[in-house]
Amino acid sequence: EDKVVQSPLSLVVHEGDTVTLNCSYEVTNFRSLLWYKQEKKAPTFLFMLTSSGIEKKSGRLSSILDKKELFSILNITATQTGDSAVYLCAVPPGNQFYFGTGTSLTVIP
Amino acid sequence: DADVTQTPRNRITKTGKRIMLECSQTKGHDRMYWYRQDPGLGLRLIYYSFDVKDINKGEISDGYSVSRQAQAKFSLSLESAIPNQTALYFCATSPGLAINEQFFGPGTRLTVL
Repeated sequence: EDKVVQSPLSLVVHEGDTVTLNCSYEVTNFRSLLWYKQEKKAPTFLFMLTSSGIEKKSGRLSSILDKKELFSILNITATQTGDSAVYLCAVPPGNQFYFGTGTSLTVIP
Repeated sequence: DADVTQTPRNRITKTGKRIMLECSQTKGHDRMYWYRQDPGLGLRLIYYSFDVKDINKGEISDGYSVSRQAQAKFSLSLESAIPNQTALYFCATSPGLAINEQFFGPGTRLTVL
């Protein structure tokens, strides 16, 4: 059965801290892994990763994929209160998308 | 104007009622999806459609049906609503041919009493 597991389930940090969110997967036909940010409304796209070892960056956010060990991490440096959200990862092994349950990040001023 | 819209945004209904949730998009995407989101369970796929003539069941299709009226419109129906269908429902779209990011609508919060 295809499965996507995220950890930790929730995280509380202070502004300026660096956080690492994890997404592991077990799917029969891996093609890509996607990260989304959800702030009390619709998820918005952050990154799509298809190749192992190649880091994607956008400002203070970065992500990398390890296809051998079947996981991805999302790093956020110098966190800000605006980073507070649920971070979702998704894997589309075929035509369907399987989402993890998400990591809820709270950044305290 | 939003690219993916959902109506209604909030709905409270009673057990046994028929409910239709509507999704429209102006992105010109072929692929459309319906998800539900429950606390602690993440997003789960209900149905998806790759064009007007193509409808596919997702992970949790029981108790739901869909209609793709046009490329831009994809409706989700609950024929006889039950309380455990209380959830946040999202419509999403994506371009065809390759796996791409999905663009989500604002969501419909449905409560079944």
